[in-house]
Amino acid sequence: QKEVEQNSGPLSVPEGAIASLNCTYSDRGSQSFFWYRQYSGKSPELIMSIYSNGDKEDGRFTAQLNKASQYVSLLIRDSQPSDSATYLCAVNGGSGNTPLVFGKGTRLSVIA
Amino acid sequence: EPEVTQTPSHQVTQMGQEVILRCVPISNHLYFYWYRQILGQKVEFLVSFYNNEISEKSEIFDDQFSVERPDGSNFTLKIRSTKLEDSAMYFCASSQDRGGSGELFFGEGSRLTVL
Repeated sequence: QKEVEQNSGPLSVPEGAIASLNCTYSDRGSQSFFWYRQYSGKSPELIMSIYSNGDKEDGRFTAQLNKASQYVSLLIRDSQPSDSATYLCAVNGGSGNTPLVFGKGTRLSVIA
Repeated sequence: EPEVTQTPSHQVTQMGQEVILRCVPISNHLYFYWYRQILGQKVEFLVSFYNNEISEKSEIFDDQFSVERPDGSNFTLKIRSTKLEDSAMYFCASSQDRGGSGELFFGEGSRLTVL
């Protein structure tokens, strides 16, 4: 059973701070990793994708991947109240056309 | 910006009734998916579809579920005889590449309530 684990939170950070969200996965063969943001009652919205070890930056967001530790993280710099949402980690099943497996998500609350 | 569209946004049905949820994927995407999310739980894979056939399905996707691409644009999910536990948000998604490497784009979802 392929698992993606996230701390459910809530994670509360003050406005302007760095929010750090973490995710671990069980399938060592996984190749593609994604972070989605989901506002309450809405659909998942893709924020970042990362495929190789190291960091990937896009604006205020940085994704980090460590395949040896089977660990993915998302850093949000200069957090804003509008960043308050549930952040979903998604990992591909390992090869070919296997579907994305989602974690349960971490709820982030940015306090103004 | 291209987007995945879903209808209806909310459907209420009686247990045992058939339901069809509709999706229009992004036009140049080749892979189509249905996911569901029961309230407060995680997003779960149901089925993937490519080249007019199912490429993978989960244990959730049993005989009461079916998918179809009846024309060049629509992608439908049919639930033949709904059960109370089918109540969930159903998301359609599409991608240009295989789900393993490609980025999935989700529609706004169809909320199904089974009474």
